[in-house]
Amino acid sequence: AQSVTQLGSHVSVSEGALVLLRCNYSSSVPPYLFWYVQYPNQGLQLLLKYTSAATLVKGINGFEAEFKKSETSFHLTKPSAHMSDAAEYFCAVSVPPGGDYKLSFGAGTTVTVRA
Amino acid sequence: DADVTQTPRNRITKTGKRIMLECSQTKGHDRMYWYRQDPGLGLRLIYYSFDVKDINKGEISDGYSVSRQAQAKFSLSLESAIPNQTALYFCATSDSLGVNGGYFGPGTRLTVL
Repeated sequence: AQSVTQLGSHVSVSEGALVLLRCNYSSSVPPYLFWYVQYPNQGLQLLLKYTSAATLVKGINGFEAEFKKSETSFHLTKPSAHMSDAAEYFCAVSVPPGGDYKLSFGAGTTVTVRA
Repeated sequence: DADVTQTPRNRITKTGKRIMLECSQTKGHDRMYWYRQDPGLGLRLIYYSFDVKDINKGEISDGYSVSRQAQAKFSLSLESAIPNQTALYFCATSDSLGVNGGYFGPGTRLTVL
């Protein structure tokens, strides 16, 4: 079975500073990996995904993530935080083709952006 | 119109009551899922369905049941609600390749008193 660990339940950054959210996964087969964002009182929006193509993936709103198989990691970064990035972020893993695509989520990281 | 809709959006009920949460989708996807979100726990899978005749339990199915009335509709029921079922519930769909993760509805906030 696959699982996800997000390091740090809360991250506070200054506006303009680097945002780094950590995600490590475990899976017996090469996984699909996703980052979702949840703004207050809203549903989940897909930020970016890794599905076995390029290991560095770019998403919406200036976010990117790098799949590192040797480290079983899929950390999310954004070079310069904006106030609008304040939200909760979830890393998720699913089993690739042949599987049932159910997502296993991390516990989430809440990002606060200081002016 | 939203691709995945959920009704109701908010519900307050009492312990022991039967509750049904409904989900409809216009994505044309066969796969549908119900997740539950609790603070500090992320989202956990309750049930999922590959078609109207294929229903599967997720990791936390106890106390819940589902019905897949049509390709586009997937309902979650709490037969006898209890306070620890207070949570945010999400419905999601997925295409057959799964390369886009899930398409999520806006969520239903359920409070059981």
